[in-house]
Amino acid sequence: AQSVTQPDIHITVSEGASLELRCNYSYGATPYLFWYVQSPGQGLQLLLKYFSGDTLVQGIKGFEAEFKRSQSSFNLRKPSVHWSDAAEYFCAVGARDSGGYQKVTFGTGTKLQVIP
Amino acid sequence: DADVTQTPRNRITKTGKRIMLECSQTKGHDRMYWYRQDPGLGLRLIYYSFDVKDINKGEISDGYSVSRQAQAKFSLSLESAIPNQTALYFCATSDWELSSHEQFFGPGTRLTVL
Repeated sequence: AQSVTQPDIHITVSEGASLELRCNYSYGATPYLFWYVQSPGQGLQLLLKYFSGDTLVQGIKGFEAEFKRSQSSFNLRKPSVHWSDAAEYFCAVGARDSGGYQKVTFGTGTKLQVIP
Repeated sequence: DADVTQTPRNRITKTGKRIMLECSQTKGHDRMYWYRQDPGLGLRLIYYSFDVKDINKGEISDGYSVSRQAQAKFSLSLESAIPNQTALYFCATSDWELSSHEQFFGPGTRLTVL
């Protein structure tokens, strides 16, 4: 079974600073990987996804993530954070279970606070 | 208009009451899901459905039931609500045709059980 770990529960960065949110996954083969963002009072919105090809993927709102198989990681980055990026971010991994179902497992989330 | 809608958006109820949360989608997707979100626990899958005749339990189905009335509608019921079912509930959809299996989420229903 797959699993996802987001080791940082809460991160605070200054506006304009760079950001990296960590995500590690456990799965025996190449998984599908996702980053979602949840703004206060909102549902989850997909930021970006990886399932094959270039290991550096670009997403919406200036975010990018890099798949590193050797480290089982899929960290999310942004070079310059804006106050509107304050939200909770979820990493997710999709993989086939024994029944052939593409199951998606979510991490516990990282809450981002942006200070002026 | 939103592609995935949930009703109600907020609900307060009492222990022992039966509650139904509804989800509708206009995306034409075949797959639908119900998750609950609790602080510090992320999203946990309650039930999922591949089509109207296919319903599957997720990791935390006890105390819940679902109904897939049509391809576009997927309802979650709490037969006898209890306080530890207080949570934020999300419906999501996906399409087998999408090779990435991206899920699309509704805005959520905040349920409080007193």
